[in-house]
Amino acid sequence: GAVVSQHPSWVICKSGTSVKIECRSLDFQATTMFWYRQFPKQSLMLMATSNEGSKATYEQGVEKDKFLINHASLTLSTLTVTSAHPEDSSFYICSARDPGTNQETQYFGPGTRLLVL
Amino acid sequence: SQELEQSPQSLIVQEGKNLTINCTSSKTLYGLYWYKQKYGEGLIFLMMLQKGGEEKSHEKITAKLDEKKQQSSLHITASQPSHAGIYLCGADMSGAQKLVFGQGTRLTINP
Repeated sequence: GAVVSQHPSWVICKSGTSVKIECRSLDFQATTMFWYRQFPKQSLMLMATSNEGSKATYEQGVEKDKFLINHASLTLSTLTVTSAHPEDSSFYICSARDPGTNQETQYFGPGTRLLVL
Repeated sequence: SQELEQSPQSLIVQEGKNLTINCTSSKTLYGLYWYKQKYGEGLIFLMMLQKGGEEKSHEKITAKLDEKKQQSSLHITASQPSHAGIYLCGADMSGAQKLVFGQGTRLTINP
């Protein structure tokens, strides 16, 4: 199946710093990518939809100024956690739609574990 | 999410036995996705169902979507240790492929 990569796989940062997470579709072009967050022993929660060439759309309760999303190309979306705080520590996973398949299957990256000290 | 209920939350099965995981939505679905996740890792795509009554199989895993497109089941036949993990159903309730996920089913296979 299609491959989606994320970088870094894990990051530890100090409170108040900003962290950038990259999501790449490796063998297909993705006009739409999604960013999810998963807290320990919980399911995934959609944060925002990343649209290539336009602004991201955020789910209710997600601060757009806190979680900056940039989808500058058809293969790359970035999520920047600005002024990170310990409560932002979580597992962030992106997904991308492969429009080339008949059913637009959605593939997920391996995730990025963020720990804010 | 209360919009999507997944059951059971955990399941311990003897190797070689069959098992079923269910996913029920309060709304008619545009699509239903099944994924497998190992703790702390990404999601592995298993199957996607879109049509009412649709059934798909891959190796020993079969997924079905009911005619009303509100309920799906994932069935594993002759379970193996490699089937162990967390199974998640994700529902597209809007047609925009923004997925709402169930709470997951933690599957343990005992040898």
